[in-house]
Amino acid sequence: SAVISQKPSRDICQRGTSLTIQCQVDSQVTMMFWYRQQPGQSLTLIATANQGSEATYESGFVIDKFPISRPNLTFSTLTVSNMSPEDSSIYLCSVEDTNYEQYFGPGTRLTVT
Amino acid sequence: GQQVMQIPQYQHVQEGEDFTTYCNSSTTLSNIQWYKQRPGGHPVFLIQLVKSGEVKKQKRLTFQFGEAKKNSSLHITATQTTDVGTYFCAGKKSNDYKLSFGAGTTVTVRA
Repeated sequence: SAVISQKPSRDICQRGTSLTIQCQVDSQVTMMFWYRQQPGQSLTLIATANQGSEATYESGFVIDKFPISRPNLTFSTLTVSNMSPEDSSIYLCSVEDTNYEQYFGPGTRLTVT
Repeated sequence: GQQVMQIPQYQHVQEGEDFTTYCNSSTTLSNIQWYKQRPGGHPVFLIQLVKSGEVKKQKRLTFQFGEAKKNSSLHITATQTTDVGTYFCAGKKSNDYKLSFGAGTTVTVRA
């Protein structure tokens, strides 16, 4: 299994600002995923980030709003841009190992006021 | 698109009793995975099922994958307070790298 850390663990931001969330893995992985989880809800995939290529976004999510970087095989960032209260959520990164099992970071709890 | 439906949404269980949560897909899956999320925590991988009709056990937890690879279940026997949390199933279609998560079953336990 992989050990994943995320920064920040939580933040309170004003609307109109941007927040960059970092995800660090203790081993090299090909696939990294970014999810959003509203309180009491399931996980919604935002995008898949592969090293050396553009991230692949799911329906309803666009690069201008959620730009993603993947500079190497152990690190990725997700930026939530021009935030509104509707962006308040928990943001989770995950990685997939060679057995196709996913391991999640601890999450970033974002509150937009 | 692929949808994975999960029921029930909530399960209130007396300690010591058994319960089952069910997962159904509108399409055939290549595999199905189960995760547990404790209150305030993040999802933790439990198991992956790949073969038609597969049954796997982890102590008091029994996981099944249907013959048609469209449904799955998680059965917990003799529920304990440590079983509290939300259990998610997540399915993957053939030739697809993405997991589609069910809505989750949130379990509370009465001592």
